[in-house]
Formats: sequence, structure tokens, C-alpha cells
Amino acid sequence: SQTIHQWPATLVQPVGSPLSLECTVEGTSNPNLYWYRQAAGRGLQLLFYSIGIDQISSEVPQNLSASRPQDRQFILSSKKLLLSDSGFYLCAWSGVGTIYEQFFGPGTRLTVL
Amino acid sequence: AQSVSQHNHHVILSEAASLELGCNYSYGGTVNLFWYVQYPGQHLQLLLKYFSGDPLVKGIKGFEAEFIKSKFSFNLRKPSVQWSDTAEYFCAVRSNYQLIWGAGTKLIIKP
Repeated sequence: SQTIHQWPATLVQPVGSPLSLECTVEGTSNPNLYWYRQAAGRGLQLLFYSIGIDQISSEVPQNLSASRPQDRQFILSSKKLLLSDSGFYLCAWSGVGTIYEQFFGPGTRLTVL
Repeated sequence: AQSVSQHNHHVILSEAASLELGCNYSYGGTVNLFWYVQYPGQHLQLLLKYFSGDPLVKGIKGFEAEFIKSKFSFNLRKPSVQWSDTAEYFCAVRSNYQLIWGAGTKLIIKP
């Protein structure tokens, strides 16, 4: 069966520091991968999605970037964090066979101080 | 662009009450529709989905949703809620590779 992992679960970082959040999927090949930010009362904001290695689309201009160094690995990064980057970040995957049903990881709570 | 609206941000009900959460999307044509649920402290997970066929879709835990094309709606229902249904519920519609999400409805069930 498929599983999705995210780490770390929580992170507290100072303003101006770099960021790297990792997401990996097991049990499937060539998944579509997604990074979301979830804010209270605002639902899920899609940040990036990837339909293959080195195929990443950015949905929202921001201080963040994403990379997909391997088929089942998706990384969310920043060179310099802002206070406004605080939030709950979710990684998700969908497969060709599931036709867009998305499966979510446990999320990372990021606090920028 | 496709958009999704959920009418109620917070709903409070007593146990055994009936539930209906509204969801409307903006574009017509062929749509794939989803309801997801996030229980406190747990992953976001799929509750039910509509791709085609019978517009009344049944999901887990006694939930159902009805796709009404003429109203651009996909409302979630449950005849009798339980305390364990306390959660946040999200409606979503597919747009190419993505899902477009509603803002969510926080449901609190009073025991």
C-alpha cells in the first residue's frame, strides 16, 4: 500500500533562516506531488505541484521554492524565511490510477519567529 | 477559473441532529467532486467523491453527497450526526491536475 511521509512534524525557525521540508511517497511510481499551506478559515492554498521529475509548477508567487530530486521525493525550500511563512504545510500525492484523488501527509507546523 | 464556496465556516449541532453542509462550484461541464475531512489531530482524508453516474454518492461513516448539476452544488449530508463527526470538512473540485478547494467548514457536535 502507499504511504506518504513528511518531516519534520514541527519546526521553529528564526526570520531570515533557510528552510527545507521533505516529503516522500512509498508504494507508487510517478505520482503527482503537491505542496499546500493550510491556514485557519482559508482552506488549502496550493503552493506547488509536480507531474514528474523537474516538472514543477508554482501557483503562488512567494518566498518559497520546490524541487523534486527523485520520483517520489518533493522538497519545499526557502533561502530566507519571513514571518508570514509561518503555517501548516501539507504534502499530497495523486496517481494516474486514482485520477486526482489526493492523499495527504501528516503535515509540518512551521513557526517563524 | 474554477472556484469553490462553502457557505458555512462554523456549524454547531447536537448529537442525532441532521447535517447538511453546502458546497457550490463555479464552472459547469464535466466535474469531479470531492469531500475531505480532517479529524482533530489526524491527516486530511477522503470522505467521498463523485466522478460520474449516480448523482447521490455514499461515503464512509454514513455520509452522502448529492451532485446537482443545475445548481452547481455538491452538498454533504448525514441524517444523524455523532460526537465523533466533529472535524473540519472541505469540498474540492478537480481542475486539470489540481484540486480547487473550498475554505472548509468546522463542524462541532455537542454531546
